[in-house]
Amino acid sequence: EDQVTQSPEALRLQEGESSSLNCSYTVSGLRGLFWYRQDPGKGPEFLFTLYSAGEEKEKERLKATLTKKESFLHITAPKPEDSATYLCAVQDSQGDMRFGAGTRLTVKP
Amino acid sequence: DAGVTQSPTHLIKTRGQQVTLRCSPISGHKSVSWYQQVLGQGPQFIFQYYEKEERGRGNFPDRFSARQFPNYSSELNVNALLLGDSALYLCASSLDTNQETQYFGPGTRLLVL
Repeated sequence: EDQVTQSPEALRLQEGESSSLNCSYTVSGLRGLFWYRQDPGKGPEFLFTLYSAGEEKEKERLKATLTKKESFLHITAPKPEDSATYLCAVQDSQGDMRFGAGTRLTVKP
Repeated sequence: DAGVTQSPTHLIKTRGQQVTLRCSPISGHKSVSWYQQVLGQGPQFIFQYYEKEERGRGNFPDRFSARQFPNYSSELNVNALLLGDSALYLCASSLDTNQETQYFGPGTRLLVL
């Protein structure tokens, strides 16, 4: 069965303090790995899709990377508005999607 | 362009009741997926519909059912509600059955008392 584990569960950073979020996965045939941002009481907002090991994608202060067993979401010089829950999901060869529980990020000014 | 819309935004029901949640996808999107998100967890896949046909089903009991209409909007029905059904129900739309780029609505918060 596909599994997605995100760590840490919660992360508190000072504004400008860079860090990384981890997503470890086991999947039968990776079709894609996805990162979403979710603000309280709202639906997830799509950030990135990664398809193969070695792939990297960037958007503003966020950079996502992928290996055969895990993905990292690097946050460079975060701002308070980056505070949110970041969700990782994998899609297997059957098309089934499984989400991790998320990392709750708080950035203090 | 309008994003994915869901109604109602909040709902309170009692155990044993039935509930219907509604979703309108982004214009031009033909696929709708439903997810259940329990507090503190990630979304869990319930159903995917494409062109009015069920294309995928998650590990949920038969109390959960859905349908898609000719205009691609969708309804999720849950019968015989249990306390454990309390959650945020999310709808996501995509152009086709490939969920690679799916856009989520704001969700319906269901509380079962």
